[in-house]
Formats: sequence, structure tokens, C-alpha cells
Amino acid sequence: GAVVSQHPSWVICKSGTSVKIECRSLDFQATTMFWYRQFPKQSLMLMATSNEGSKATYEQGVEKDKFLINHASLTLSTLTVTSAHPEDSSFYICSARGTSGRLSYEQYFGPGTRLTVT
Amino acid sequence: AQTVTQSQPEMSVQEAETVTLSCTYDTSESDYYLFWYKQPPSRQMILVIRQEAYKQQNATENRFSVNFQKAAKSFSLKISDSQLGDAAMYFCAYRSGGYNFNKFYFGSGTKLNVKP
Repeated sequence: GAVVSQHPSWVICKSGTSVKIECRSLDFQATTMFWYRQFPKQSLMLMATSNEGSKATYEQGVEKDKFLINHASLTLSTLTVTSAHPEDSSFYICSARGTSGRLSYEQYFGPGTRLTVT
Repeated sequence: AQTVTQSQPEMSVQEAETVTLSCTYDTSESDYYLFWYKQPPSRQMILVIRQEAYKQQNATENRFSVNFQKAAKSFSLKISDSQLGDAAMYFCAYRSGGYNFNKFYFGSGTKLNVKP
């Protein structure tokens, strides 16, 4: 139980285009979803926290107009990287927190999405 | 803000031996949770073990156990009978207690190498 999927797992896009990454909780409802960015050999950096039906809360230094987050349902959150540039190339990981019981105590991570901007 | 420190960027252990990964944290809160996550080369984050701060007993999960020293704000992970599959990045993480917790704080990670 508590499976989180991400799609796509790897995407290559051209500079200036936008790309959308989906994060889904497959077998539970997620009150809160988190988006992280991870550079090679580094730790996870939290970008934003999103609650279903409300605006995302962005961490300091993260451009909200560039990284659009939508949490339209209890099982789906999307991250759209707008006008992508090579410096946006990174590994993006989402995680989800459930609504009750043990699911609410932990974050369940997706497998990540590798974004390469050429 | 809470900070989590992992002072060992990389460690090595012989297969079947025991290794301990260190983690310290800084907080003024009394209610919180601590976690160890494993990130293998696939980069999928896997929960290894969780400790509630209000519990005095150290958490154990098969070959994995923690040494939780609340007063010292220390949370080390011991891996017994190390296996080749244990090779990965290990991240220590902290989160506040209470239902409306906001986020996890991660350490910088320790790369564990397991030698056959």
C-alpha cells in the first residue's frame, strides 16, 4: 500500500518550452503533496507544499511563476516547469501524505522524474 | 528552523559487518518524528525506519536499528549484517509533530558502500 507514481520518469525538452510532471497517489488519498528537487549527489530540496484545493506554499527562493503546482484532487498533483532552461535540468521528486492513520505520519515518495532541458 | 546534520559524506563497510551512520538535529520542539530514508541508485526513496520522539524505546526493523538520544539530539542508524543491497545514499530526516505538520527537513546524506 501507499504507492506514489510519477509520470513521466524521464523527459527531454527544448529550452523555452514547458513541461508538466504528474504525481499520483495510487491507493490512498493524499491531503498534502510535496515537490522536491535533487541535484546530483545532493540532498532533496523542498520546492513547495500543496494541499488539495488550495494554492501551493513555495519555499523561499523558488519562483512560483516558473514552477506551477496544481493539486486538483486528493490523488493528483502536477508540477509545470514553464519556459524551461538548461539550469532547470534536475531530478524532481514528489511525495504524498495520507489523510489518516499511519498514512498521515509519513511521506510516501514517487520514483522521480529526470528533466533534461536542451 | 530545524536543521539536520549528517557529518559522514561517505562510509564503507564489509559485507556481513555492522556500520553506524550518524545524524544530529537541532530543534526546540518536544514533539517530532525522525526518519532514515534509503536512496539506492534507482533514486526511489525508501523508508528504512521511523522514531517518535515521545518514545524512549529505540526503533528496530530487522537488521536496522536506531540509537535515539533525545537530550543529545542524536539519531544514529545501525545496520547489522550488511548486505550488498544496502549500498545506497542514506538520508536522515526530521518533521514536526502534530497533524498539520508542514515539511520534512533532510540531512545532506551519507553514501554507504558495501564491500564484498
